[in-house]
Amino acid sequence: QSALTQPPSVSGSPGQSVTISCTGTSSDVGSYNRVSWYQQPPGTAPKLMIYEVSNRPSGVPDRFSGSKSGNTASLTISGLQAEDEADYYCSLYTSSSTFVFGTGTKVTVL
Amino acid sequence: QVQLRESGPGLVKPSETLSLTCSVSGGSISTYYWSWIRQPPGKGLEWIGYVYYSGSTNYNPSLKSRVTMSVDTSKNQFSLKLTSVTAADTAVYYCAREGYGGNSLDYWGQGTLVTVSS
Repeated sequence: QSALTQPPSVSGSPGQSVTISCTGTSSDVGSYNRVSWYQQPPGTAPKLMIYEVSNRPSGVPDRFSGSKSGNTASLTISGLQAEDEADYYCSLYTSSSTFVFGTGTKVTVL
Repeated sequence: QVQLRESGPGLVKPSETLSLTCSVSGGSISTYYWSWIRQPPGKGLEWIGYVYYSGSTNYNPSLKSRVTMSVDTSKNQFSLKLTSVTAADTAVYYCAREGYGGNSLDYWGQGTLVTVSS
């Protein structure tokens, strides 16, 4: 199982929206809704932001939303804030009961 | 609130065995799957494997030959052993809980840096 593909970086000004893509294949992302997203500010542990494509855990702002179309899952941050600057990783729970992570995307708030 | 904390040596010699323990507080280790994930400096996340509270395991195929995970329910802890380490195994090692139906990792430890060097 290869790593899922994410853009290395995205950026936006405060208040804008940014979208991060996570591309797999028809056999993984395209077949299952077991995609989750993690936020990792510098020097800290990852934090779960979205599970099962579009569900937010308690305490995660509704500025964060997830979706999927075909073989690509996406994380959208609306109303970008300075505190959103971090690395973001998607993850897929595979049919073999293993996790595979995306390559990671650095979000910069201009 | 569930909390996880990794512990173990921060320096391991090449060809030796890396051993880490994750202590779980604020909740029982029972009924959940518990994972280890690592992150080489400046790089992305790599899932190593999970152990269930019953002791069953599942490992990343790329590391399977060198990994052993175990659980001690009496101590609310689970452990990782990685044999024959090289410099490529230098990373921050995280433990985490699989939640929300087991499809995601909802609680993470703070991570511990393990350096492989002579």
